[in-house]
Amino acid sequence: NAGVMQNPRHLVRRRGQEARLRCSPMKGHSHVYWYRQLPEEGLKFMVYLQKENIIDESGMPKERFSAEFPKEGPSILRIQQVVRGDSAAYFCASSPVRASYEQYFGPGTRLTVT
Amino acid sequence: DAKTTQPNSMESNEEEPVHLPCNHSTISGTDYIHWYRQLPSQGPEYVIHGLTSNVNNRMASLAIAEDRKSSTLILHRATLRDAAVYYCIDDNTDKLIFGTGTRLQVFP
Repeated sequence: NAGVMQNPRHLVRRRGQEARLRCSPMKGHSHVYWYRQLPEEGLKFMVYLQKENIIDESGMPKERFSAEFPKEGPSILRIQQVVRGDSAAYFCASSPVRASYEQYFGPGTRLTVT
Repeated sequence: DAKTTQPNSMESNEEEPVHLPCNHSTISGTDYIHWYRQLPSQGPEYVIHGLTSNVNNRMASLAIAEDRKSSTLILHRATLRDAAVYYCIDDNTDKLIFGTGTRLQVFP
């Protein structure tokens, strides 16, 4: 059973460009969570989605950031007009049920904004 | 903000047991206690979780105090691959609130 997959693993964008981060949950998991880890800081929750629904986006910045988890295909975290402060590691996790325990994390996407 | 407190760092020698403490001063009756770890340059990895009783799995053991105000993650025989940042979390919601964790160094 493949684990959570994220791509790309590394992404370089210039200021003002858009970044799209993809996350494929583990087979059978319909709950997806996104977290961000800024350099030398801890992991921060961003958003929790189920198929076609955003359940909790309390950690998402108010502007430029959006997330979706369509009926078919991976979950997408989209950052518009990136700025240097968006440089971070973005981790996706999935779980089979709506719960905070036993979330399975992907390897992350490391975004660098130049 | 994180609700738990942990020592910033701990050290161990290989093949020795390691006891990683965590204080849960504001834990409520329905909060689970979770432990995750993050190896260098990797995503967090689930280790173990429990509610009231002590728990064992292939990775570790979790000892939960009777009043649930503290827990201890026990690695029975540390290996070099156990060097990581260990996070304890107590919560009953969908999201994980990570603190700063304990950085475990394992020496050969």
